Amino acid sequence: EAGVVQSPRYKIIEKKQPVAFWCNPISGHNTLYWYLQNLGQGPELLIRYENEEAVDDSQLPKDRFSAERLKGVDSTLKIQPAELGDSAVYLCASSLGDRDWNEQFFGPGTRLTVL
Amino acid sequence: AQSVAQPEDQVNVAEGNPLTVKCTYSVSGNPYLFWYVQYPNRGLQFLLKYITGDNLVKGSYGFEAEFNKSQTSFHLKKPSALVSDSALYFCAVRVNQAGTALIFGKGTTLSVSS
Repeated sequence: EAGVVQSPRYKIIEKKQPVAFWCNPISGHNTLYWYLQNLGQGPELLIRYENEEAVDDSQLPKDRFSAERLKGVDSTLKIQPAELGDSAVYLCASSLGDRDWNEQFFGPGTRLTVL
Repeated sequence: AQSVAQPEDQVNVAEGNPLTVKCTYSVSGNPYLFWYVQYPNRGLQFLLKYITGDNLVKGSYGFEAEFNKSQTSFHLKKPSALVSDSALYFCAVRVNQAGTALIFGKGTTLSVSS
């Protein structure tokens, strides 16, 4: 079974430029998460989708971040414009429904460097 | 508010010795507790979880964890460490309440020497 796929794996951009990350969850997983992981920290939730609906985006900085999950499968996270402080690893995860006890399966992440 | 603490940034252990990675939590409500492991340049991998029932939970790669409600702890253990266990370990908690997020600790780096 294929795991969560993310691309690109690495991205280097200049500040004020836009950037987008793509995620393909495990087949059949209707819940998808985007996390931000700063160096030396645990992941922090940015947004959670149930199918195509964003059910928790309270931690998403909406002035510059946006996300979509058209058709309830793949998802894209966008930053526009990027700032120096956005340098981090962006993780995508999926789970089989959002039961509180279901484990989440993580992709390898996209490491973003903003210069 | 929910929170998770991993008091040790790094744990060093010799191969073959038992290991413990500590985790304490603070929640209002019944917790669901998880351990994940992260290898370099890879995503987090699920190790084990506590939902309810037996306080001793067994997971992947010979790891186990003990839920202690009175001490609000969920320490990760393994009887005999392997060099290949060297990685970054995260404890996470979620409250048994709809709409809550999974909260991660800061992580503990486990280093197993040969």
